[in-house]
Amino acid sequence: AQSVTQPDIHITVSEGASLELRCNYSYGATPYLFWYVQSPGQGLQLLLKYFSGDTLVQGIKGFEAEFKRSQSSFNLRKPSVHWSDAAEYFCAAGSFNDMRFGAGTRLTVKP
Amino acid sequence: NAGVTQTPKFQVLKTGQSMTLQCAQDMNHNSMYWYRQDPGMGLRLIYYSASEGTTDKGEVPNGYNVSRLNKREFSLRLESAAPSQTSVYFCASITGTGGTDTQYFGPGTRLTVL
Repeated sequence: AQSVTQPDIHITVSEGASLELRCNYSYGATPYLFWYVQSPGQGLQLLLKYFSGDTLVQGIKGFEAEFKRSQSSFNLRKPSVHWSDAAEYFCAAGSFNDMRFGAGTRLTVKP
Repeated sequence: NAGVTQTPKFQVLKTGQSMTLQCAQDMNHNSMYWYRQDPGMGLRLIYYSASEGTTDKGEVPNGYNVSRLNKREFSLRLESAAPSQTSVYFCASITGTGGTDTQYFGPGTRLTVL
């Protein structure tokens, strides 16, 4: 069955530290891959997406993600976290008519 | 340009009551979607409409109906609400159905069924 797994439910990092959020997918073929961010009480905002080509994808707010076919992973990274990055992050995979989301990783940023 | 708007923002229903969640977008998008979000789970697709006049089931359609009223509006109806339908509902839209599109989400409707 198609699925997306985010192994970390909650991550805490210090402001200025680097961040990596993990995402693994299970699909028959390489799906489209997405990372979204959700602030409390808000809808989801797209950070970045991967369809094909370069496996390192740049997104908004200084985020990037790397697609690794051999590991079925699409991890999100940021070199230096800001307090405003505290939010919930969702990885998603598939076509828009059959999108599967991970359960989310909540990011807390310590001052 | 308001993007994707949803009404109401909050709603409390009793079991068995019916209601309609409204969604509208002003971006001239062709495709629209309804998702539900439950604690500890990601979003799950309820129904989608690839174009005006068409609707299709998503992953969790049971207990819901939808109407694509026109290109702008896509409503979600609960005919007989159940506590299991307590959730946050999000509407989204994209330009077409191509994979390179960006999906835009509304702010959500928080529904509680007692």
